[in-house]
Amino acid sequence: AQKVTQAQTEISVVEKEDVTLDCVYETRDTTYYLFWYKQPPSGELVFLIRRNSFDEQNEISGRYSWNFQKSTSSFNFTITASQVVDSAVYFCALSEAKRAAGNKLTFGGGTRVLVKP
Amino acid sequence: EPEVTQTPSHQVTQMGQEVILRCVPISNHLYFYWYRQILGQKVEFLVSFYNNEISEKSEIFDDQFSVERPDGSNFTLKIRSTKLEDSAMYFCASRGSGGNQPQHFGDGTRLSIL
Repeated sequence: AQKVTQAQTEISVVEKEDVTLDCVYETRDTTYYLFWYKQPPSGELVFLIRRNSFDEQNEISGRYSWNFQKSTSSFNFTITASQVVDSAVYFCALSEAKRAAGNKLTFGGGTRVLVKP
Repeated sequence: EPEVTQTPSHQVTQMGQEVILRCVPISNHLYFYWYRQILGQKVEFLVSFYNNEISEKSEIFDDQFSVERPDGSNFTLKIRSTKLEDSAMYFCASRGSGGNQPQHFGDGTRLSIL
């Protein structure tokens, strides 16, 4: 069974600080996909980034960057120079590559980020 | 940019009543999902649907739940006899072909059972 753990329940930072969100996952599959979603106070779920298990290259997209370490089963996410609009709950999610099934997402418990002006 | 739409945004229902939550997935997507989120908790998978049949369901998705794609655009979740513990935000999602494609979520329906 797959499992996603986000140990940080809440992080509070001052605007322009960087914030790193931790995510640790468990899966028995060798091929899987990892995602980060953002849930602002309005409640919707917004897709941010994805990573394939066979691609460990870390990337930067604007103010977002991520660090995928297969050896430690971690997929951490960093917001650089945080802004008040970044205040939200961030979810890490895992999908196993099962062709017969629907590639359901298993979510972590979420980390609430509060960016203070 | 195409998006997933859900109606209604908020549904208030008496316990024991049937409720139908509606979703219009992104038009060229083939995989459809329902998730729920009890207030303040994590997002939980309910069911996935592909090629007009359920491909996977969770233990939450018991006999009281059903899904249907009645036409080429809508995807519905029915709860036959609602319970207090069904109160939650229900999210519909869809994705295109390819397992690494992200699921795109609707804004959710807040279901309140009285």
